[in-house]
Parts: sequence; C-alpha cells; structure tokens
Amino acid sequence: RKEVEQDPGPFNVPEGATVAFNCTYSNSASQSFFWYRQDCRKEPKLLMSVYSSGNEDGRFTAQLNRASQYISLLIRDSKLSDSATYLCVVTGFNNAGNMLTFGGGTRLMVKP
Amino acid sequence: EAQVTQNPRYLITVTGKKLTVTCSQNMNHEYMSWYRQDPGLGLRQIYYSMNVEVTDKGDVPEGYKVSRKEKRNFPLILESPSPNQTSLYFCASSLDRLGTGELFFGEGSRLTVL
Repeated sequence: RKEVEQDPGPFNVPEGATVAFNCTYSNSASQSFFWYRQDCRKEPKLLMSVYSSGNEDGRFTAQLNRASQYISLLIRDSKLSDSATYLCVVTGFNNAGNMLTFGGGTRLMVKP
Repeated sequence: EAQVTQNPRYLITVTGKKLTVTCSQNMNHEYMSWYRQDPGLGLRQIYYSMNVEVTDKGDVPEGYKVSRKEKRNFPLILESPSPNQTSLYFCASSLDRLGTGELFFGEGSRLTVL
C-alpha cells in the first residue's frame, strides 16, 4: 500500500461546479498536511496547509480526518483557472526514514 | 525576489557522461531537497539537507550524489547517468529545518539521457 494515495483522476467538471478530492495516508503518526497545486510542466506551489480544525481560503476548504487518516480539498464555484494537478503532502517519518511524502496527485479539468 | 533557481532547465545527454544540476536559493533556508517526477509515480525525494554539510538519502537516492558546502547551494550530481534517470527534476527549499513547512520549488530541470 502506498503511504500517501490520491485518485489520479482526471476529474472533469463544468465551471461553477463544486468538486472534492481526498488523500489517504498510512502513517498514523503523520504530523503536518498540505495541498499543493501544480500546473502542467510547472513547479508545485503551496495552495494551503491543512489544520486539525479545518481551514478555508476563499473557494477552497481543506479538512483533516485523523481517525480515518485522510485529508480533503473542496473547491466551490470552480473556475477554468482551477484546472491543474493537486498534490497532497504529508510529513512524518516514512519507510525511508525521511519527513516528506507526496501523493501522486489528482488532476482536475474545469470545462466551460 | 525570493526564489529557487535551477540550471540547466533542459538537458539532453548520453549514458555515462557526468552532469551536475545546480540549485540555488536566496531565502536563507535551512532545508533543501531534490525530487524527481515521473508519470504515474508522482514526486519522489532523492536527497535532502537540513543544514550545511548535512545530507540524507530520500526515497530514490541510487545513482545520485549531492553536496551542501554552502547554505544557498545544493547541486545534484549524476556521476554516470543512465536512461532510467530521464525525468523532470525539482529542487526545493524550506525555512523549516525539517522541511515540514512550506516548500518553495525551482522551475524544474527536464533531463533526457540517451
């Protein structure tokens, strides 16, 4: 089982739709959680951190469920510019002993 | 402007010809790391460094070397590149020494080994 798993998608949604992605992690001792956005052939950029109490930034809401070991990202009122790959990042020691593990990413395509 | 700079951005080379990909950050970050990104495999960490002269293996270190002689620079060295090292490489840095804070990525270096 992968340490951090995401549905690769693509998720094809119309403009204005609400879409949600999940990311599951296997290490119950994981400490910090993040969502990054990566545009095609570009570098990943931090979208938002995920706090235990959940957090919201405009149209984006991130939540953490420690009991079920997953984080989620909800995007409301999707825009064409939201089309990208969304990567979850989990920190904590993994099988290799280091701190950071990336999920494989979920691709979102927002259509007119 | 705060940034992470990688060079070269694109490189085509042949098997066995040593190459170095440079990475430099101007944010005085403690933590630096290298990743490779391959279709279907996502981002995988190659090496990371929490401080000058301190480097550690990531998930896929075989075939790579790194050094951290100065805080700002973290070059990735392929002593004898092979075709399976064809990939998109990213350097990243973080203010947090453990790398658990926000990561700032370079623009990526696309390497092809023939």
